[in-house]
Amino acid sequence: GNSVTQMEGPVTLSEEAFLTINCTYTATGYPSLFWYVQYPGEGLQLLLKATKADDKGSNKGFEATYRKETTSFHLEKGSVQVSDSAVYFCAREERGSARQLTFGSGTQLTVLP
Amino acid sequence: NAGVTQTPKFRVLKTGQSMTLLCAQDMNHEYMYWYRQDPGMGLRLIHYSVGEGTTAKGEVPDGYNVSRLKKQNFLLGLESAAPSQTSVYFCASSVPTGLGTEAFFGQGTRLTVV
Repeated sequence: GNSVTQMEGPVTLSEEAFLTINCTYTATGYPSLFWYVQYPGEGLQLLLKATKADDKGSNKGFEATYRKETTSFHLEKGSVQVSDSAVYFCAREERGSARQLTFGSGTQLTVLP
Repeated sequence: NAGVTQTPKFRVLKTGQSMTLLCAQDMNHEYMYWYRQDPGMGLRLIHYSVGEGTTAKGEVPDGYNVSRLKKQNFLLGLESAAPSQTSVYFCASSVPTGLGTEAFFGQGTRLTVV
């Protein structure tokens, strides 16, 4: 079936460090891909997305490129801040009528000052 | 703007009790979803609805029922709660606008079944 495999956490970084969180997906069709972020005590919110191969999604200094050849959508940020501490979820959108999302297991990121 | 509102935010149930979780959205979205979030498993889809009066099963529907009598509300029911249903429940809504539809999430309901 369709699945999303995400790098296990937790990840702890110092402020201004480089961040990579790996995400791969099963190559059934051509799904749209997303990164959602969940701050403590809140629901998920969209961070960025890409809808076709070679698209790059970006927002708040985060980037991810839709790589069809490696079925990957890795999240990167050049210089993390304490305020980036959150749980990050990679997700794919199913192309059926309901557009439901299939999520990875989530990666907890803690950024230390 | 309220967005997606879930009620209640916290609840403790005894095994065998029933309850209903309410999700309300004020964005006129057609699609609504119920997910559960468990440690190390991400979010898994319980049930969903593509419009008023319609519902369908997701990945983990057993033990839950849903209703969508009004477009803005999506109710999740537990008829006889079990400890395995201890989880954080999230409601989401969306309106498909081509590829890459953004889903909007509520703040979650933390349910403990003892």
